Amino acid sequence: KNQVEQSPQSLIILEGKNCTLQCNYTVSPFSNLRWYKQDTGRGPVSLTIMTFSENTKSNGRYTATLDADTKQSSLHITASQLSDSASYICVVSGSTTSGTYKYIFGTGTRLKVLA
Amino acid sequence: GAGVSQSPSNKVTEKGKDVELRCDPISGHTALYWYRQSLGQGLEFLIYFQGNSAPDKSGLPSDRFSAERTGGSVSTLTIQRTQQEDSAVYLCASSLVRVANTEAFFGQGTRLTVV
Repeated sequence: KNQVEQSPQSLIILEGKNCTLQCNYTVSPFSNLRWYKQDTGRGPVSLTIMTFSENTKSNGRYTATLDADTKQSSLHITASQLSDSASYICVVSGSTTSGTYKYIFGTGTRLKVLA
Repeated sequence: GAGVSQSPSNKVTEKGKDVELRCDPISGHTALYWYRQSLGQGLEFLIYFQGNSAPDKSGLPSDRFSAERTGGSVSTLTIQRTQQEDSAVYLCASSLVRVANTEAFFGQGTRLTVV
């Protein structure tokens, strides 16, 4: 069964600290993996996309890694800011036998950054 | 429209009443997803539409929940005889299905409160 699991479910850190969020998936065949950020009261917005051949990708203070062999991804946030407080959702796209692509969404990690 | 549009943005209803939530996906997106987020919880899959295929209803929590997608575009999620545990943010997302590495776009969500 295609699944995406994220950990931790929630996380509280102090401003300026680093943190790492984890995503494990069983989606196969794999197409790509995206990390989304969802601010309170808003819909999720894509932060970064990882394809099969990519191991790491950065977007400012956000760095995503992908290990396609172990089917794991991580999102590392450096020097956290109060504005990083949000839910982070891992979304994996898998290809189907009919040639289409379907998204499997993780449940998300809720991050709270405290001053 | 330019993005996924959901309406209403907020809905307060009395327990036992029926509600309809609307999602207007991005034009040309054949895939449409409904998810919900209860307070403090992660994303919970509800239903998935893809073109003319039979929808994946495996996430609907009870027979009080139903959804349809007319003409392959607008979707309506209906909750009958609402209960307090139905209170949540209901998110809709749409995507292309025959293009690899494309993005699933989310609406802003409908916040449903059952009193």
